[in-house]
Amino acid sequence: KNQVEQSPQSLIILEGKNCTLQCNYTVSPFSNLRWYKQDTGRGPVSLTIMTFSENTKSNGRYTATLDADTKQSSLHITASQLSDSASYICVVSDGSNDYKLSFGAGTTVTVRA
Amino acid sequence: NAGVTQTPKFQVLKTGQSMTLQCAQDMNHEYMSWYRQDPGMGLRLIHYSVGAGITDQGEVPNGYNVSRSTTEDFPLRLLSAAPSQTSVYFCASSPTGEQHYGYTFGSGTRLTVV
Repeated sequence: KNQVEQSPQSLIILEGKNCTLQCNYTVSPFSNLRWYKQDTGRGPVSLTIMTFSENTKSNGRYTATLDADTKQSSLHITASQLSDSASYICVVSDGSNDYKLSFGAGTTVTVRA
Repeated sequence: NAGVTQTPKFQVLKTGQSMTLQCAQDMNHEYMSWYRQDPGMGLRLIHYSVGAGITDQGEVPNGYNVSRSTTEDFPLRLLSAAPSQTSVYFCASSPTGEQHYGYTFGSGTRLTVV
């Protein structure tokens, strides 16, 4: 069964600091990986998408990396802001079916002033 | 442009009751889907549709029905609510598959079955 594991489950950081979230997956074959941000009480919003040929993708202060050989991805948040407090979800597609994706359980980030 | 609109935002049902969760999008997206989100778990696909008149089952379809009579609307019907269906439900849409354009999610419906 395809799985997506995220770590840590939650973390607390001070405003202005950096943090890195991890995503390990067993999905095979691999098509693409996307990171979503989910604010409390809202639906997820896409941050980045990477295919197997891409190693890194940035969106403002968010930088995602991908190592398709080790099946690992990370999301780095630079100079965190209070608005970065949210759950970050890793989603992997195996490419066999556009409509069936593997979702991680998410990492909850709390940014404190 | 409202995006994906879900109603109601909150709902409490008694075991055995039926109800319909509404989802509408105004972006002319062909693909729509329903997910449930439970604590400590990733989103799980309930049903999806690749266009008007076409629906298919996802990972956890039991106890739910869907229909897609128009491009804009994709309602999710709970046939006979059970406490195990207590969850947050999200509707999502995309021009085609998620891997090309990503999903646009609604704000969710928090359902409690007592």
